[in-house]
Amino acid sequence: AQSVTQLDSQVPVFEEAPVELRCNYSSSVSVYLFWYVQYPNQGLQLLLKYLSGSTLVKGINGFEAEFNKSQTSFHLRKPSVHISDTAEYFCAVAGSNYKLTFGKGTLLTVNP
Amino acid sequence: DTAVSQTPKYLVTQMGNDKSIKCEQNLGHDTMYWYKQDSKKFLKIMFSYNNKELIINETVPNRFSPKSPDKAHLNLHINSLELGDSAVYFCASSPEYNSPLHFGNGTRLTVT
Repeated sequence: AQSVTQLDSQVPVFEEAPVELRCNYSSSVSVYLFWYVQYPNQGLQLLLKYLSGSTLVKGINGFEAEFNKSQTSFHLRKPSVHISDTAEYFCAVAGSNYKLTFGKGTLLTVNP
Repeated sequence: DTAVSQTPKYLVTQMGNDKSIKCEQNLGHDTMYWYKQDSKKFLKIMFSYNNKELIINETVPNRFSPKSPDKAHLNLHINSLELGDSAVYFCASSPEYNSPLHFGNGTRLTVT
């Protein structure tokens, strides 16, 4: 079985500040890791994914994440956020069973 | 062209009624899913079909019945609706198990 823990339910930041959204996972098999973003009243959109290879993955909208196997983490970062980055962010893990398990989400609020 | 489309977008109904939500994907993906997002934004998988075959059936009341007439469609029928069924239901598809999901925009179901 696999699980995902997003350590912060809400993260408020000021515009142009850096941000890190934390994600830890547990799984008994090889994992594939994802970050999704959900804007208000919309579906989820893929930000980035880690399947294998380089542990630093870059995604859309200037986001990146680092896979750390020893710490079982996959934290999401952006060096400078914009008002438009305000949204709910979900970390997710997939194993070999077609099942994508999501964390409970982190609401990122970017204030002017 | 919408990749994953769900209808209706909003569904308001009374307790005890039966309703259906339709989902279609034009991406040529083999796997389709239904997820439920509760009022706290928590996303939980309900069902998954691969090439019309049920492969994931989470602990969901048997009032919920998925139907996949072909691999481009996955519909969700709900019998005897209850207040606790109120949520946003997302359809998604993916080409294979470790591939990112493509989500529809959701169906907001309100049971009164």
